[in-house]
Amino acid sequence: EAGVTQFPSHSVIEKGQTVTLRCDPISGHDNLYWYRRVMGKEIKFLLHFVKESKQDESGMPNNRFLAERTGGTYSTLKVQPAELEDSGVYFCASSQEYQNTEAFFGQGTRLTVV
Amino acid sequence: AQSVAQPEDQVNVAEGNPLTVKCTYSVSGNPYLFWYVQYPNRGLQFLLKYITGDNLVKGSYGFEAEFNKSQTSFHLKKPSALVSDSALYFCARRAAGNKLTFGGGTRVLVKP
Repeated sequence: EAGVTQFPSHSVIEKGQTVTLRCDPISGHDNLYWYRRVMGKEIKFLLHFVKESKQDESGMPNNRFLAERTGGTYSTLKVQPAELEDSGVYFCASSQEYQNTEAFFGQGTRLTVV
Repeated sequence: AQSVAQPEDQVNVAEGNPLTVKCTYSVSGNPYLFWYVQYPNRGLQFLLKYITGDNLVKGSYGFEAEFNKSQTSFHLKKPSALVSDSALYFCARRAAGNKLTFGGGTRVLVKP
C-alpha cells in the first residue's frame, strides 16, 4: 500500500512568487492534515480536511495560504505571494478514522523562499 | 492550551546503552499521546501511541513508552540503542479535532 506522498520534495522560489504543494493521502483516508515546521521549531498544525470539506483551518497563518481538496482525494496548498518567513518543511498527513487512530505522514516538502 | 514539551534538544548515547527521550504534557483532560520519528531525508514515522489501558506501550523498532499520570510524562525508551536509531524524535498530543500538538523535537545521536 502506498503511503502519503508529497510533491515536490524541495522547492526554491523567490519572494513574491507562487508555489503549490501537493499531497496524495493514503487511499481511503478521509482525514487529511497539513502541518509546517519553520526554522527548526515545533511542527505546527495548519488545517484539516474531512473528505473535501475544511474541518479546521485555525492554523493557517494568513490569507496568502490557500488549501484545496477537490473531490476528497489529493490536496494542494498554495502560497501566493510567498514571503521569506514561509520557508520551512510542509508535512501532509492522513488518517482513516476520526478518533484515536494515528496519522500517517508524508516525507514533507522543503520550501525555501529567497 | 494543551501543550507538549521535550526538554532536551539533543540526546547522545553510546550504542548498546539505554536510550530515553523525555516528553511531558500539560494537565488537561485525558491525553492521547504519540511518538513519531524522523530519519534523515524521510517523513515522520509513527512509533507508538497511548490512548488508554496499560501505561507501558510497546511500539515499532523495539521502542516503548511509559505513560505516567502523576508526573504528566510520556518518556520514550529503548533498552539498547542502535546507531540506526539516530534521528529526530517528536512527542505529540491529540488536540481538539484530532489534530496533533507537537513538542519541539529531540535529536538523538547514537555513537558506535
